[in-house]
Amino acid sequence: DAKTTQPPSMDCAEGRAANLPCNHSTISGNEYVYWYRQIHSQGPQYIIHGLKNNETNEMASLIITEDRKSSTLILPHATLRDTAVYYCIVRSDSGGYQKVTFGTGTKLQVIP
Amino acid sequence: EPEVTQTPSHQVTQMGQEVILRCVPISNHLYFYWYRQILGQKVEFLVSFYNNEISEKSEIFDDQFSVERPDGSNFTLKIRSTKLEDSAMYFCASNGQATGELFFGEGSRLTVL
Repeated sequence: DAKTTQPPSMDCAEGRAANLPCNHSTISGNEYVYWYRQIHSQGPQYIIHGLKNNETNEMASLIITEDRKSSTLILPHATLRDTAVYYCIVRSDSGGYQKVTFGTGTKLQVIP
Repeated sequence: EPEVTQTPSHQVTQMGQEVILRCVPISNHLYFYWYRQILGQKVEFLVSFYNNEISEKSEIFDDQFSVERPDGSNFTLKIRSTKLEDSAMYFCASNGQATGELFFGEGSRLTVL
């Protein structure tokens, strides 16, 4: 799986959009970008994933650059409950065996 | 919404004792995993299980660890003789054949004294 680089921490004002960047310059053509988060020692939670098109669900939007070397997770209206560590993960399958390797992620602090 | 459930939520044990952590994955899922997280550190992969056998394990998963799915619903992690360094949160996860997302339980906190 390709290596990813994320800033160690970010702050965001409550109610504003949180934009979390991820670099994955060695991503290969069949690798997907996944985002998970972990709220204070709870189990990690899947957020969204994509291959090359932008994706949106009820939690977030995922913007992948045209060259696929980087992506941004957008939480459109951050709340205090979005304070968590966010993990960007690149892996080659979108179904079946799903071993995920977690890095250190970005610690997002939503400020009132 | 279906969820992965884990028991116990917290277990305190003496060093050298055996511990069994239990997980009930989502019912139609086929792939099962255990992860652990030592306080303040990354979430680390331990082992994956598919078709009633281990499909992959990490260096952490030594002979002191074992997994089984005894009755088609529960998925257990056993630590035969606990050490102080086994103190951690242990997370169970599962996914189905077609889903790209891993579903995690809330974790079992193991404290070894």
